[in-house]
Amino acid sequence: GDSVTQMEGPVTLSEEAFLTINCTYTATGYPSLFWYVQYPGEGLQLLLKATKADDKGSNKGFEATYRKETTSFHLEKGSVQVSDSAVYFCCTGTASKLTFGTGTRLQVTL
Amino acid sequence: GAVVSQHPSWVICKSGTSVKIECRSLDFQATTMFWYRQFPKQSLMLMATSNEGSKATYEQGVEKDKFLINHASLTLSTLTVTSAHPEDSSFYICSARERTGDTGELFFGEGSRLTVL
Repeated sequence: GDSVTQMEGPVTLSEEAFLTINCTYTATGYPSLFWYVQYPGEGLQLLLKATKADDKGSNKGFEATYRKETTSFHLEKGSVQVSDSAVYFCCTGTASKLTFGTGTRLQVTL
Repeated sequence: GAVVSQHPSWVICKSGTSVKIECRSLDFQATTMFWYRQFPKQSLMLMATSNEGSKATYEQGVEKDKFLINHASLTLSTLTVTSAHPEDSSFYICSARERTGDTGELFFGEGSRLTVL
């Protein structure tokens, strides 16, 4: 079956630092890839997605590129803010069935 | 964006009792809802897919008699953990899809933490 591996957290960064959260996947066919974010006390929210190879998803300054050759979908942001502190989940699949990574907690400090 | 709400957000119960968790779509009609279970430091595992007015489809390894799912209306799905035991302690999360077909975005509830003593 499908699987997603993402870097273990927590990741602690100072404000304005560069962020990378690695994510690799295994899947059959041509799945879509997603990043979800869960802020404290809230449900998961779709952050960005990419539906085919070489697509770049972006939102709120975050970006991730669907790399089929390396089966990766790394999340990046050039300058993080305290408000970005949350748990980030990498996912593969369709809207019917998502396979999640274990989540990476990001803590941004002043 | 659309809002999905779960209730209760946390519950503690004695072993052998049953617990019901509600998942509501507050501002849209959800033809399909999904129930997940999350263990500490592990990923969300899909338990079942719930379609309004029909029986839920359970993932392999999930006991349908243990985890009863009802989706009686377009805005409400319930998960009942029957005869709960400590190993059922977990974080349960629901999500809902607004449109039919496979293209609607998923909206997630805040999750419900169950502790069975």
